[in-house]
Amino acid sequence: GNSVTQMEGPVTLSEEAFLTINCTYTATGYPSLFWYVQYPGEGLQLLLKATKADDKGSNKGFEATYRKETTSFHLEKGSVQVSDSAVYFCALLETGNQFYFGTGTSLTVIP
Amino acid sequence: KAGVTQTPRYLIKTRGQQVTLSCSPISGHRSVSWYQQTPGQGLQFLFEYFSETQRNKGNFPGRFSGRQFSNSRSEMNVSTLELGDSALYLCASSLGGIANYGYTFGSGTRLTVV
Repeated sequence: GNSVTQMEGPVTLSEEAFLTINCTYTATGYPSLFWYVQYPGEGLQLLLKATKADDKGSNKGFEATYRKETTSFHLEKGSVQVSDSAVYFCALLETGNQFYFGTGTSLTVIP
Repeated sequence: KAGVTQTPRYLIKTRGQQVTLSCSPISGHRSVSWYQQTPGQGLQFLFEYFSETQRNKGNFPGRFSGRQFSNSRSEMNVSTLELGDSALYLCASSLGGIANYGYTFGSGTRLTVV
C-alpha cells in the first residue's frame, strides 16, 4: 500500500541554519510528491511538488528532489528564518485522488 | 481569486448530535476532498467528490457522509457524534483532481465534541 514516513520532530534551529526534513515513501505505482506547510490555526498550504522521478520542486528557498531509487523526497532550505516556523507535511498522491500524509514535523526557528 | 471557503470555522457539539460542515471550492474546481486531522491519527482521507459523484472513500464508519451539489459546493455530515470525532476537518478543491492541476486546502472547521 501507500504510506509516507517523515522525520520525527520537533526540530529547533537558529535563524540562518540549514534545514533538512527527511521523507521517504512507499507506493504501489508512480506517485506525485508534495510538501505542505501548516501555520497555527490554519489549513495546509502547498509549499512545493514534484510529479515524476528526478523532478525538483522549489519555492521560497525550499527545495526537494524526487528520488525514485531511494524512495525519498527530503525537504531542504539553506537558511531558515523565524517566519518558517510551522508544521511541515510530506505527502504522496497516487491513483484514487487521495493524499497520504506523513505525521508532520514541527519546526521552530529561534532568532 | 477567492480560495477554498469552509464554514463554520469553529463548532462545538454534544455527543450524540449530528453536524454538517460546508466547503465552497475555488470557482471552476469540480473536485472536492475531505480530510480529518487529529493529533493522534494525523491527516486521514474521508472522501472525494467530482461532479456530484463520490469517486473515492476512506476508511471511516458510515456515520461520516458527504455530498456535492451542482455548483461544486460540498457538505459533509457526521451523525451520532462521538468524542473521538473532535478534529480539524479540511477540504481541498482541485480543477480535475489530479496532481498537475494542484489542490488548494481551506482553513478548516474545528469541531469539538463535548
